[in-house]
Amino acid sequence: QVLLQESGPGLMKPSEALSLTCAVSGYAISTGYYWGWIRQPPGKGLEWIGAIYRTGSTYYNPSLKSRVTISVDTSKNQFSLKLSSVTAADTAVYYCGRLNSGSYYEVDSWGQGTLVTVSS
Amino acid sequence: QSVLTQPPSVSAAPGQKVTISCSGSSSNIGNNYGSWYQQFPGTAPKLLIYDKNKRPSGIPDRFSGSKSGTSATLDITGLQTGDEADYYCGTWDSSLSAVVFGGGTKLTVL
Repeated sequence: QVLLQESGPGLMKPSEALSLTCAVSGYAISTGYYWGWIRQPPGKGLEWIGAIYRTGSTYYNPSLKSRVTISVDTSKNQFSLKLSSVTAADTAVYYCGRLNSGSYYEVDSWGQGTLVTVSS
Repeated sequence: QSVLTQPPSVSAAPGQKVTISCSGSSSNIGNNYGSWYQQFPGTAPKLLIYDKNKRPSGIPDRFSGSKSGTSATLDITGLQTGDEADYYCGTWDSSLSAVVFGGGTKLTVL
């Protein structure tokens, strides 16, 4: 059973850069699948941020692409998200997940999520 | 504004059947199968349906998915009070080269 666990700062100030890490256990990232990030603002719906393959190949949400970088460290079996110049609109629960690229990129495993609040 | 369109809410009585729709376009639902997620308050979403009506292990067959043209549908039969949750559709959008989601539908079991 694959388990994912997000970690990162809970509170940030506007204009700072957000950095989150997703530690994966029970499955080796180097084996396959895409690994991605999804966020959910309080009381709102899901927004896909982007995903990365073990080779470093990435897909990003076009609306966030200019501010997002996703990277992977197969030696540590983890992947990371960096989001630059955050504003209050980036306040959300951030989830990491495993995406099935052999199908239609559905997220078949999710982390528990971590709340990131952007406030001055 | 979500790429996929879902009704904000649906409701039905216990034991009944409910249908949740997800409308898209030729670049997403029209050429790809949708997936469906169930989310309870304060918890992560859970995959219910993917590909052509496939269910992950442990998901009961009361949940089923279908597609017609550029719309996908989630059917839930034999409704239970424990099915009260938010439901999201999602799929790959070939034009955006990105995953897209619907805005979510809140299911109330009366």
